[in-house]
Amino acid sequence: AQSVTQLGSHVSVSEGALVLLRCNYSSSVPPYLFWYVQYPNQGLQLLLKYTSAATLVKGINGFEAEFKKSETSFHLTKPSAHMSDAAEYFCAVSEGTGNQFYFGTGTSLTVIP
Amino acid sequence: DTGVSQDPRHKITKRGQNVTFRCDPISEHNRLYWYRQTLGQGPEFLTYFQNEAQLEKSRLLSDRFSAERPKGSFSTLEIQRTEQGDSAMYLCASTLTPTGNTEAFFGQGTRLTVV
Repeated sequence: AQSVTQLGSHVSVSEGALVLLRCNYSSSVPPYLFWYVQYPNQGLQLLLKYTSAATLVKGINGFEAEFKKSETSFHLTKPSAHMSDAAEYFCAVSEGTGNQFYFGTGTSLTVIP
Repeated sequence: DTGVSQDPRHKITKRGQNVTFRCDPISEHNRLYWYRQTLGQGPEFLTYFQNEAQLEKSRLLSDRFSAERPKGSFSTLEIQRTEQGDSAMYLCASTLTPTGNTEAFFGQGTRLTVV
């Protein structure tokens, strides 16, 4: 079965500092990986998704993620945090043509002014 | 394209009452998912439809839960005899039939509070 693990349920960074949110996946087949962001009382919005075309994926709002097969990881980064980045971030994996998306437990990002 | 819409956004109900939520997917999307999200957790899969056919149900979907998608358009999720443990955010998502890295588009959710 597919699964993702997000290390660190809470991450705090200073405004302007590097953001690093960790995601490791477990998959017996090539995974399809996604990062979503959720603001309070809102649904999930896609930040980026992995395509086999490139291991470094650029998303919206300056976020990017790097797929590392050897480490089974898909960590999310942003060079410089902004106050508006404060939200809950979810890593997800799907089976592609399969039937559902599996989400991690999320990482709550706090940005300190 | 107005995205995935869910109604209501918030619902407070007394234990034992029945509630029904509605989801309108993106119009050309033939796949529709329901997820449940409790505080501090990621979304958990409940069920999904391919057009009007309900193809998979999670074991989280007890007998008190029923979902429909008549005519393959909007979907409803009904919870009968609600319990306090049903309090959660219920999220609906839609996609075209997934191929590869097809992403799911989510609605804003219905937050259910059972008192």
